[in-house]
Amino acid sequence: QSVLTQPPSVSGAPGQRVTISCTGSSSNIGAGYDVHWYQQLPGTAPKLLIYGNSNRPSGVPDRFSGSKSGTSASLAITGLQAEDEADYYCQSYDSSLSGNWVFGGGTKLTVL
Amino acid sequence: EVQLVESGGGLVKPGGSLRLSCAASGFTFSSYSMNWVRQAPGKGLEWVSSISSSSSYIYYADSVKGRFTISRDNAKNSLYLQMNSLRAEDTAVYYCARVHGSSWYDPFDYWGQGTLVTVSS
Repeated sequence: QSVLTQPPSVSGAPGQRVTISCTGSSSNIGAGYDVHWYQQLPGTAPKLLIYGNSNRPSGVPDRFSGSKSGTSASLAITGLQAEDEADYYCQSYDSSLSGNWVFGGGTKLTVL
Repeated sequence: EVQLVESGGGLVKPGGSLRLSCAASGFTFSSYSMNWVRQAPGKGLEWVSSISSSSSYIYYADSVKGRFTISRDNAKNSLYLQMNSLRAEDTAVYYCARVHGSSWYDPFDYWGQGTLVTVSS
């Protein structure tokens, strides 16, 4: 059971918009810690996609956007493309005794 | 170009030990905090350990505390993970990852390709 909760899977047709939620608690996202998002294409290492809740690293298309509110965060992907099919993970810091960095369980995006 | 290359993975029996290495290049290694993150087969990402740039601050996930030791050699641009008392549940691909900036809370902006550790008799 991950500290951050993500839906196991989402899907959408090419060109559509999808969102992936990431729900935390008062010891991580709700405590004000930033949320970061990673994309993991099949068989490859994770890649930083969104940092600081809503910022895109250089080279990441503006089709990807992030937001945060309260104890949750969301990743939105517009204009879905076949190459977006991947696993997506949210990450935040947790101030509880048991944790430091925590990841969501991951969401598999399928482009129909 | 930033590069992180892990090595040292392999097959080890339960209770055994293994030392992972991560060779860094393309940036000033001594200026960045580093992490180990693992991914069990077919599972999600799990943070394992963090070390600050000068090794002053070190943290571990509860699942590895007391068994794993993170270290670094800034002169050799290398990060290490000494893994002792290995268990089947430690089987995973282990990634080293760089922290983006000077804040402990910055994201992991570069990742290695990973090295597979299999714990089995």
